[in-house]
Amino acid sequence: NAGVTQTPKFRILKIGQSMTLQCTQDMNHNYMYWYRQDPGMGLKLIYYSVGAGITDKGEVPNGYNVSRSTTEDFPLRLELAAPSQTSVYFCATITGHSSPLHFGNGTRLTVT
Amino acid sequence: TQLLEQSPQFLSIQEGENLTVYCNSSSVFSSLQWYRQEPGEGPVLLVTVVTGGEVKKLKRLTFQFGDARKDSSLHITAAQPGDTGLYLCAGANNAGNMLTFGGGTRLMVKP
Repeated sequence: NAGVTQTPKFRILKIGQSMTLQCTQDMNHNYMYWYRQDPGMGLKLIYYSVGAGITDKGEVPNGYNVSRSTTEDFPLRLELAAPSQTSVYFCATITGHSSPLHFGNGTRLTVT
Repeated sequence: TQLLEQSPQFLSIQEGENLTVYCNSSSVFSSLQWYRQEPGEGPVLLVTVVTGGEVKKLKRLTFQFGDARKDSSLHITAAQPGDTGLYLCAGANNAGNMLTFGGGTRLMVKP
């Protein structure tokens, strides 16, 4: 039971490149979230999903896209990478209402 | 948008000292969670407080939820170097399926 798995762990992109951050969970949770965390700061919600086929924007969605074709997978897509997207990205799930977030170990992305 | 202000942002203290971290908002939350994060890892839940005025203790850590459910505090007694880390508060919306995070408090406890 791996919990929440994120790949890759590290990535360096050039401005304008695209990439997909992968997130997979084996806990059969409906709710999944993508957060970004800038150095020494709190987490800001990018996108979330309440179940397969349903996604919604969070606090900072610009420059990102998501899809949720299965319960297990919630990939985050950057189409045109910008330096402002340099951050650590965390995927998380919850079991249900008012439950704690279970986080992956993050993807550290640098855009130069 | 619900906002959470966390203070202080940084705290450097000597082993054995006490400290308090504050988490304040003008919004009401259905519950409030405290997380601790180590470098290179995701945040890990410490506690959830749900009822206004609730106090929970976790060894040397004491968590309090304000009566109006708009604020919370974390008090650490006799801090130890192992307490070093980033502490995050997060408030849940009424549906309990969305968390808003504070900006974090980076604590360093020197031996």
